[in-house]
Amino acid sequence: DQQVKQNSPSLSVQEGRISILNCDYTNSMFDYFLWYKKYPAEGPTFLISISSIKDKNEDGRFTVFLNKSAKHLSLHIVPSQPGDSAVYFCAASPDYNTDKLIFGTGTRLQVFP
Amino acid sequence: GAVVSQHPSRVICKSGTSVKIECRSLDFQATTMFWYRQFPKKSLMLMATSNEGSKATYEQGVEKDKFLINHASLTLSTLTVTSAHPEDSSFYICSVEGGRLVDEQFFGPGTRLTVL
Repeated sequence: DQQVKQNSPSLSVQEGRISILNCDYTNSMFDYFLWYKKYPAEGPTFLISISSIKDKNEDGRFTVFLNKSAKHLSLHIVPSQPGDSAVYFCAASPDYNTDKLIFGTGTRLQVFP
Repeated sequence: GAVVSQHPSRVICKSGTSVKIECRSLDFQATTMFWYRQFPKKSLMLMATSNEGSKATYEQGVEKDKFLINHASLTLSTLTVTSAHPEDSSFYICSVEGGRLVDEQFFGPGTRLTVL
């Protein structure tokens, strides 16, 4: 049973608009959440993270929102650029200091001109 | 979704010994599996792509003679760290590609290797 779910396998957004990628989790013990970006033939690269003590973390065009009561997090990219086209994975960890990561299955984002 | 297991979850070994890590796709036949090494702050480095029935494709900088990958069946890939040294201590994660959707990946729970 997937503890971290990305229910949308793909998303298509026009350049300049906002991209919203969603992720749901089932384990309330998860304490730390991450988003990774993956290009073809490469490994996932870390993008942005959020601790459970926060509900928002922003880094440039990327913002992650965490709704603990709903066990839901989202990644907002604004404005979207064609170079953002990639597969995005969310992951959850019981603790920042542990190795353990539980990944979602990914959402492919395509940003078109 | 596919269930991916890794064995062992933790291993401690002496320097100079070899360690084998297994990655199994429990309910899905995977022609392609990936091996990653996790670094501090949870960044992941792709080490190699494991293809069933053929040689693995290694990423630049990864020693293929040190990190032996075997993908002999559609449900099992193994990573053997040969002559392990303390600098090989890390968290190793495998993933399985495929399923119903392109780009979909299922990650294993990881293996923590500690070399003394």
